Amino acid sequence: ETGVTQSPTHLIKTRGQQVTLRCSSQSGHNTVSWYQQALGQGPQFIFQYYREEENGRGNFPPRFSGLQFPNYSSELNVNALELDDSALYLCASSVYMGTKNIQYFGAGTRLSVL
Amino acid sequence: KNQVEQSPQSLIILEGKNCTLQCNYTVSPFSNLRWYKQDTGRGPVSLTIMTFSENTKSNGRYTATLDADTKQSSLHITASQLSDSASYICVVSINDYKLSFGAGTTVTVRA
Repeated sequence: ETGVTQSPTHLIKTRGQQVTLRCSSQSGHNTVSWYQQALGQGPQFIFQYYREEENGRGNFPPRFSGLQFPNYSSELNVNALELDDSALYLCASSVYMGTKNIQYFGAGTRLSVL
Repeated sequence: KNQVEQSPQSLIILEGKNCTLQCNYTVSPFSNLRWYKQDTGRGPVSLTIMTFSENTKSNGRYTATLDADTKQSSLHITASQLSDSASYICVVSINDYKLSFGAGTTVTVRA
């Protein structure tokens, strides 16, 4: 196991609603990244948080937002859900081993937007 | 156009056989290249990480190679087992947070 847990595992929402996905990282992992993985595709980077501040963002609109908390947990919030937001959302915490940044992924939250 | 292209999209092999997965990338420069294994319904798990100066890296029956000149990487699975059935994703890391993921190769190992 990676030590990264995500909740819930599955979620069904309707278009226009808001959703909050949660991630609990390993203790000491002060960097967390969120990814969106559409069916049959590789994960797409949404954003990264380091010490509770966003320090990198992919090509996602502002209705995708996040929070990171001092206890190494984090949230992904998506407002005004669209059908295309249906995907697996992955959280990854990371730590440096030597010069390499090692990511540990959670099992993901499967979001279905109807 | 995706900066990381993987082939084949899927393959089926018999238990005990070897197979090789390919990854071509256009990302340049890059920090490191990673191969992940993703079981159905699970998050990706790191298999290997190579910097641009490394040519090969092994993890048990998995061996990754990297040719930075041709911008190609391969993942070789030796003596496949049923538990190797998964999606294998090639990831090129530009920096610590900017990662480009391939779409993955789905491997099915049959008894």
